Amino acid sequence: AQTVTQSQPEMSVQEAETVTLSCTYDTSESNYYLFWYKQPPSRQMILVIRQEAYKQQNATENRFSVNFQKAAKSFSLKISDSQLGDTAMYFCAFMKLGNYGQNFVFGPGTRLSVLP
Amino acid sequence: GAVVSQHPSWVICKSGTSVKIECRSLDFQATTMFWYRQFPKQSLMLMATSNEGSKATYEQGVEKDKFLINHASLTLSTLTVTSAHPEDSSFYICSALSPGSRGLVNTQYFGPGTRLTVL
Repeated sequence: AQTVTQSQPEMSVQEAETVTLSCTYDTSESNYYLFWYKQPPSRQMILVIRQEAYKQQNATENRFSVNFQKAAKSFSLKISDSQLGDTAMYFCAFMKLGNYGQNFVFGPGTRLSVLP
Repeated sequence: GAVVSQHPSWVICKSGTSVKIECRSLDFQATTMFWYRQFPKQSLMLMATSNEGSKATYEQGVEKDKFLINHASLTLSTLTVTSAHPEDSSFYICSALSPGSRGLVNTQYFGPGTRLTVL
């Protein structure tokens, strides 16, 4: 079974600074997707970024980028120029390609606070 | 694109009554939807996978007779909590798997959630 670990329960960063959230996962699959979702105080889950395992290039979305290390099974999220609106819970998630539901696994989350 | 709605956003009911929560994909068709439960300050717990036109697949430990799921169309899935009890009080979240017509393929897009309080 796949597992997703986020070793930082809470983090804080000063506004405009850069922060990196860590995520590791365990799988024997070679083809899968990895995601970062954000859950602000409103509790709406928002897709931040997605990485396809077969792609070597790290995904980027504006201020958000990932460092995907497939061999190490690591998938960290870097937030540049942090903004107050980035304050949220961040969940790392794994999905096995071709199979859904029970193979979509969420990590325990990292609570990020952006300080003014 | 890839918008998912959920209704109601919050509901209070008496113990023993049933509550229905609707999940709709507004701008894409979703053959697969998911239902999650989230306790305060915890991650999402998958309850079941809902497939259009077939029976839902429930996770281990989830009572299928208590949490009835119906995926009657490509844009609508419903979760009915039957004979609700105070321990069923929670935040319920649905998601829809995008086929790629809106949003990213093989990616879940989430509804805003429903807060259920059972008195």
